[in-house]
Amino acid sequence: GAVVSQHPSWVICKSGTSVKIECRSLDFQATTMFWYRQFPKQSLMLMATSNEGSKATYEQGVEKDKFLINHASLTLSTLTVTSAHPEDSSFYICSALIGPSGYGYTFGSGTRLTVV
Amino acid sequence: GENVEQHPSTLSVQEGDSAVIKCTYSDSASNYFPWYKQELGKRPQLIIDIRSNVGEKKDQRIAVTLNKTAKHFSLHITETQPEDSAVYFCAVEAGTALIFGKGTTLSVSS
Repeated sequence: GAVVSQHPSWVICKSGTSVKIECRSLDFQATTMFWYRQFPKQSLMLMATSNEGSKATYEQGVEKDKFLINHASLTLSTLTVTSAHPEDSSFYICSALIGPSGYGYTFGSGTRLTVV
Repeated sequence: GENVEQHPSTLSVQEGDSAVIKCTYSDSASNYFPWYKQELGKRPQLIIDIRSNVGEKKDQRIAVTLNKTAKHFSLHITETQPEDSAVYFCAVEAGTALIFGKGTTLSVSS
């Protein structure tokens, strides 16, 4: 149980274009979801927290106009990288709380974004 | 915000030896401390977690200890095997989000 499906698993786009990444909770309602970015050989860095039906909360240093997060339903959160540049190339992973605080988290399979 | 320090960054052991990875955190209000194993290009996999009302938890060859007073927790892997080779991350629940340590690359040689 508590599965999050993330798509696409990899994407290549041209500089200046936008890319949308989706995360769907398949068997539970994900009230709160999280987006992380992971550069090669580095840790998962929290980008933002999204709650269903409200605006996302972005971590310091993350450009909210560049990384648009929408959590319009209890089963879907999307991250749109707008006007992508090569430095946005990274591994993006979504996560969701599977219950109250301390109950644990589930992770999507990640999206490898390459901007050329 | 929460600050999570993880050491060592790399760890090499011989098969059968034990491995210990340590993490410290800054927010005394944190109550949930999971450990993840991540293989290249894959999602993190939960290997063990501990909550603040427990000092130690064990699952076969893996154990986690927590010292809330000192704000540190450790992962212990006994009888290491080559398939234990991976990157391990500690994490701390800060508010509702997980904040990760920088990771430890464990290499187990046979």
